[in-house]
Amino acid sequence: DAGVTQSPTHLIKTRGQQVTLRCSPKSGHDTVSWYQQALGQGPQFIFQYYEEEERQRGNFPDRFSGHQFPNYSSELNVNALLLGDSALYLCASTPVTRNRAGANVLTFGAGSRLTVL
Amino acid sequence: TQLLEQSPQFLSIQEGENLTVYCNSSSVFSSLQWYRQEPGEGPVLLVTVVTGGEVKKLKRLTFQFGDARKDSSLHITAAQPGDTGLYLCAGARGSARQLTFGSGTQLTVLP
Repeated sequence: DAGVTQSPTHLIKTRGQQVTLRCSPKSGHDTVSWYQQALGQGPQFIFQYYEEEERQRGNFPDRFSGHQFPNYSSELNVNALLLGDSALYLCASTPVTRNRAGANVLTFGAGSRLTVL
Repeated sequence: TQLLEQSPQFLSIQEGENLTVYCNSSSVFSSLQWYRQEPGEGPVLLVTVVTGGEVKKLKRLTFQFGDARKDSSLHITAAQPGDTGLYLCAGARGSARQLTFGSGTQLTVLP
């Protein structure tokens, strides 16, 4: 059973460009969250998708947008890249459960390492 | 502003030593989780604590949730090189399905 898969694993962009990162959740998971992890820091919540809609959003500008598809996979798009967007972008999926503890059990992918030059 | 403060930020110890990592906040969390992250990988869940005062043990790891659900600690007994990694605490507030992560503790266990 594959866990959370992300692509690409590494990419390099220049300032002003746009990037799309992709995530396939773990089998049986319906909710996808995206986190940004700068070097030496803990992950920061970007947003969460459930039933193809953005349900919660962290403190990130509108340059960060996303999408969830009917098969629960998700994309993260970042426009007008800045040097400060260089980070590891983590996708995490959550199981189809509505109990309090289960709602926050995240399975993370290995991440996409974005470098902006 | 980091809602969850972890200490120490870096810790380097010899194999066989004991250590404790702390996670503190001024906010109350409905649950708190501990993750370990290795280079090139995403964080992997170690434990979830939900009740104030709760203590959970996972082999040589002991996790405690503060009585007021604002802080937590991770104690490792007889550390081994395989324990090396970035330890992250993460809290959930209310019914929110997002986690707030601490800045992490980078642990290195030397053989």
